Parts: sequence; structure tokens; C-alpha cells
Amino acid sequence: DQQVKQNSPSLSVQEGRISILNCDYTNSMFDYFLWYKKYPAEGPTFLISISSIKDKNEDGRFTVFLNKSAKHLSLHIVPSQPGDSAVYFCAARDTGANSKLTFGKGITLSVRP
Amino acid sequence: DGGITQSPKYLFRKEGQNVTLSCEQNLNHDAMYWYRQDPGQGLRLIYYSQIVNDFQKGDIAEGYSVSREKKESFPLTVTSAQKNPTAFYLCASSIFRGRADTGELFFGEGSRLTVL
Repeated sequence: DQQVKQNSPSLSVQEGRISILNCDYTNSMFDYFLWYKKYPAEGPTFLISISSIKDKNEDGRFTVFLNKSAKHLSLHIVPSQPGDSAVYFCAARDTGANSKLTFGKGITLSVRP
Repeated sequence: DGGITQSPKYLFRKEGQNVTLSCEQNLNHDAMYWYRQDPGQGLRLIYYSQIVNDFQKGDIAEGYSVSREKKESFPLTVTSAQKNPTAFYLCASSIFRGRADTGELFFGEGSRLTVL
């Protein structure tokens, strides 16, 4: 049973436009959410996170929105750049489960020049 | 440079052989993790360790074994009992703060294992 779902496997956007990557979760005990970016044959790198007590966190071109009632979060990238092309993983932490992270399957973002 | 080093980057193994993947970190992190990535599957947790000489099974521990004799090192052995070992393996570490932990993981570059 997948607790973190990234239902769209891929997304293609034009350079300069907004990229919106979505993530849904089912476990109401998740209290911290993170986004990781991964290039092929490399390890993921941390991008941005949000605590469950907030509904928005912004870092430069990256903003994460959290809707707790809908158990939904989204990552906005504005403006999108070709170097943003990568796989993006949504992850969630359950403090009650030894703070382990549960990852979604990832979304492959392609930014067209 | 502080970071996590995984070796080897590429490894080929014959069926029936055990193989050990190395993971070393010099970040002074308490917790270390092993994940497996398969196409379309995301990252799945194999084993994790929050302190030296202690480790816990993750979601897909069958066919794998680990040890944590030193804080810096968390090797993963893929045994012959693992039915589908071909995958990309990722080691990670974090500062474990218990309830205050943000969960942020620092990943190594990964090791690709191929069983021939």
C-alpha cells in the first residue's frame, strides 16, 4: 500500500514556464515533507521541505505548498530551466515510525529549451 | 570534503554469489540508511541504523544483511537469497534528532549492481 503517491510519472514544460509537481499521501501521521531531485546515475539531493504546521515554504524558484485537509502537496518551480530536468521524489516523515522517510515513485520533469 | 562515499560504482555478480557494497561517511552523522531504486518504483528502504551496533529492517530487508561496527561505515551485503538483486543501491545518512529530526537525508552517488 503506497502511502506517498506521485501519480504522474512525467511532466514536460517549456523553459520559463511554471512546473507543478504533485504529491498525495495517505498517512495522517506524516509531519514533515521533503522534495528531492535526482539526476541519472547520481544520488538524490535535498531540494526543499515543509513542516505539517505550515502551508507554504519558499526557496528561490522553488515553492512547496501543503494542503493537509486534502493530504496533498505540490512543488512549484518558477521559472523552469533546462537544468531542472531530473526526477523529483516526494518524501514524507512519520515521527512515530523512527523518523523514517517514505518516498513516492518520482516524477520525471523535462524542461524544453 | 565532507560527504558519503559508495563503492564500487558498478558491480557485476554471478548468480549465487554474495556481494558487499561499501558506504562510508565523514559527516559525523548518527543515522545511516540503505535504499534500493528500481525503474518506476521510487526508493525503497532496505535497512537503517540510528546508532552504532544497532540496525533495523526496512521495508524490503529479505536477502540483505548489514553491519554497523563503526559510526562512519554501514556496508550492505546482497546475499544469494535476494531473488532480484539487479538494481541501483543508494546509501544515505542523517543527523538523527529524534522528534526534532527533519528527516533530511544526504545521499551517496549510488552503486549499480547487475547480476549476470
